[in-house]
Amino acid sequence: QVQLQESGPGLVKPSETLSLTCTVSGGSITKYYWSWIRQSPGKGLEWIGYVYYSGTTNYNPSLKSRVTISVDTSKNQFSLKLSSVTAADTAVYYCARGGGYTGRFDFWGQGSLVTVSS
Amino acid sequence: QSVLTQPPSASGTPGQRVTISCSGGSSNIGSNTVNWYQQLPGTAPKLLIYTDHQRPSGVPDRFSGSKSATSASLAISGLQSEDEGDYYCAAWDENLNVLFGGGTKLTVL
Repeated sequence: QVQLQESGPGLVKPSETLSLTCTVSGGSITKYYWSWIRQSPGKGLEWIGYVYYSGTTNYNPSLKSRVTISVDTSKNQFSLKLSSVTAADTAVYYCARGGGYTGRFDFWGQGSLVTVSS
Repeated sequence: QSVLTQPPSASGTPGQRVTISCSGGSSNIGSNTVNWYQQLPGTAPKLLIYTDHQRPSGVPDRFSGSKSATSASLAISGLQSEDEGDYYCAAWDENLNVLFGGGTKLTVL
């Protein structure tokens, strides 16, 4: 069974860069698309972007200028960087398998709450 | 405001059948498959229905999905108290984007 686990700081200052890593276990990161999805407190789900195991990426147009998603196949990990954060970026950030030309995400991490505050 | 439109709430009594709708457009639901997620309180979303009507292994057949043109529906029959939570539809959009519906909060009365 594939498992995903997010890791990273739970508190980020405004204007700084949010960084999270997702570690995949129980299966290989190769041959799949991997996405980041966030959920603001009390709100719905928002897709941030995906990375293919080859390194190809695609981002939500509304976040594209601030997002970088990368993959490290040797560590079975992929990462998210979101720059110039504001309080509006406070959310639970999920990593998930899928999202490449589909809205299907079949495995999810438990989520990581990131608060943007000084 | 989400491009995929869901009713904010739905409710039913135990044993009843409830349906949740998801309305989109030609660039998303009209040309790509629909997926549904169940999010129970305090947990991560879980894939409930994929490719319009397929159930992942382990999902009870009480849950079913359908699609017609630019709209999709999730039906839950034999409603149970443990079904209470939030339900989201999702689809790929031809503008190179994954879209989620705004979510529907299901209450079991």
